Amino acid sequence: TQLLEQSPQFLSIQEGENLTVYCNSSSVFSSLQWYRQEPGEGPVLLVTVVTGGEVKKLKRLTFQFGDARKDSSLHITAAQPGDTGLYLCAGAYSSGAGSYQLTFGKGTKLSVIP
Amino acid sequence: KAGVTQTPRYLIKTRGQQVTLSCSPISGHRSVSWYQQTPGQGLQFLFEYFSETQRNKGNFPGRFSGRQFSNSRSEMNVSTLELGDSALYLCASSSSRGWSTGELFFGEGSRLTVL
Repeated sequence: TQLLEQSPQFLSIQEGENLTVYCNSSSVFSSLQWYRQEPGEGPVLLVTVVTGGEVKKLKRLTFQFGDARKDSSLHITAAQPGDTGLYLCAGAYSSGAGSYQLTFGKGTKLSVIP
Repeated sequence: KAGVTQTPRYLIKTRGQQVTLSCSPISGHRSVSWYQQTPGQGLQFLFEYFSETQRNKGNFPGRFSGRQFSNSRSEMNVSTLELGDSALYLCASSSSRGWSTGELFFGEGSRLTVL
């Protein structure tokens, strides 16, 4: 079973601060995705990283995939109240016969206080 | 285009009953996956269907079952409900092209409460 440990579990910060969320595993993943989920809704894909060492930026969000493809981080610069939500990392791995499964971390619940 | 649609959005059942949840994927998506989300365990994979065949299955008891129809719509069933089955059940669809990188498009979920 592929496991993803996400930290911190909860994060409460003031508007304008920076933060980093971590996603770690002892397993190698073919790709890693970050989702954001708001209350009463399903998760929404933010980004997919595929190559070890890959860095992707989405406005104030920076995503990095570890060189060994076992870990990832999400950095938010100058957090805004609109960034509030549950951030989930998910690792994709082959389950055989050309199919893949996703395993999710338990999430980081971020609250940005105005 | 329309997103993933799940029905019903909310439902309340009592222990021992059964429940059926429905999911209509994004048009053209042939893969449908189901997840159970609880505060303690997070998102846990139930099963995935592709072209009416169950392709992958998570570690859930046999009370949890599913199926996919020829139009890619999917249903999941939970029999003999237990209190611990209270959760948000999420359906996600994926195109064949996106699946190798595991990109999923989720519905809003069906929130099941078992009393």
